[in-house]
Amino acid sequence: EAQVTQNPRYLITVTGKKLTVTCSQNMNHEYMSWYRQDPGLGLRQIYYSMNVEVTDKGDVPEGYKVSRKEKRNFPLILESPSPNQTSLYFCASIIREGGTDTQYFGPGTRLTVL
Amino acid sequence: GENVEQHPSTLSVQEGDSAVIKCTYSDSASNYFPWYKQELGKGPQLIIDIRSNVGEKKDQRIAVTLNKTAKHFSLHITETQPEDSAVYFCARRELGGPGTYKYIFGTGTRLKVLA
Repeated sequence: EAQVTQNPRYLITVTGKKLTVTCSQNMNHEYMSWYRQDPGLGLRQIYYSMNVEVTDKGDVPEGYKVSRKEKRNFPLILESPSPNQTSLYFCASIIREGGTDTQYFGPGTRLTVL
Repeated sequence: GENVEQHPSTLSVQEGDSAVIKCTYSDSASNYFPWYKQELGKGPQLIIDIRSNVGEKKDQRIAVTLNKTAKHFSLHITETQPEDSAVYFCARRELGGPGTYKYIFGTGTRLKVLA
């Protein structure tokens, strides 16, 4: 089954404690992306990756890091989380076919930073 | 990237009626406009999209129209059903760094279809 998986699904942590949210896709997609979703703000792109070892900033990259060492995985790293990073996070991968970008989203990770 | 304005933020319609959600943008370089449906507790799912060289696209009860001159695009759902109740997001694709692209989303519309 084609899917994007994220772990953990829920996380409560404290300010300053480094954490990693993993993302994996089994569709061999080149493009992967991280978003955060906040009430009234919609989804905002944090980082994206066009392919292995190619990453670029989205609109809200501050406080986040990513890496793309292999095609299937795209972890999101919060080196020193702060309360304003409390949010719902989505990982996604994209297949481009015939002019359409089908973006497959993971189930989401709800992060609370105390 | 420049924002996408999405209206309304909430919309209630009677079952069987039509629903229309509108998005406006200002970046004339955007050339691809997808719409997503997000059900409770799930990630968004692509439901329809349109490219800038097309004015309208239909898929059963769902249609999207694009007015490139006025820089707005709309989602139309006809004969609404209770299962259409969800949050809908519009988005636009824009160029990022060389050879890259990124997505700018609207703020979402919560659609309620009343039985």
